[in-house]
Amino acid sequence: NAGVTQTPKFRVLKTGQSMTLLCAQDMNHEYMYWYRQDPGMGLRLIHYSVGEGTTAKGEVPDGYNVSRLKKQNFLLGLESAAPSQTSVYFCASSPGRNQPQHFGDGTRLSIL
Amino acid sequence: AQSVTQLGSHVSVSEGALVLLRCNYSSSVPPYLFWYVQYPNQGLQLLLKYTTGATLVKGINGFEAEFKKSETSFHLTKPSAHMSDAAEYFCAVTPNTGFQKLVFGTGTRLLVSP
Repeated sequence: NAGVTQTPKFRVLKTGQSMTLLCAQDMNHEYMYWYRQDPGMGLRLIHYSVGEGTTAKGEVPDGYNVSRLKKQNFLLGLESAAPSQTSVYFCASSPGRNQPQHFGDGTRLSIL
Repeated sequence: AQSVTQLGSHVSVSEGALVLLRCNYSSSVPPYLFWYVQYPNQGLQLLLKYTTGATLVKGINGFEAEFKKSETSFHLTKPSAHMSDAAEYFCAVTPNTGFQKLVFGTGTRLLVSP
């Protein structure tokens, strides 16, 4: 059982480039989330989705967009990458509201 | 609004010693509380959760936590540390009503020496 799979695992971008991070879950979970993790700051919620076709802003949404066209996939896009977006990005899913979240292994993104 | 405070960014123990990681929360309504563990280069894994009922919660790998409403605390303990317990631990809170985002603490790195 794969759980939550994130691709790619590592990426280096130049300032101004765009890219999409893919998250896929095989647990038929309704809720999906994107977080960023920075040293000393814990995890901060970027965007989330409560079901196929829905998205909502989290704590730090600026500079990111998301889409949930299929229930099992949640895409995170960086429109114009900035050095401040250098971080480790985690995707998570949960079966329902306020239920434990299952995390992927993360994407390490560096913006030069 | 909810918030979580984890006292101590680093905690060091010897193998076989008691592990105590502190978590205090703030919530205007009864909370759901979670502890997650993160090993190097991996995502977060659920250790244990408190929703309702028994205030002493047992999790995986011998960890347990006690919900103390009067102290607004949810400290994580393990009687005897093992080298494999070295990791970063995150406490998280969410209200038990409606949908609210999960709020994480800033994490405590547990170091275990032989």
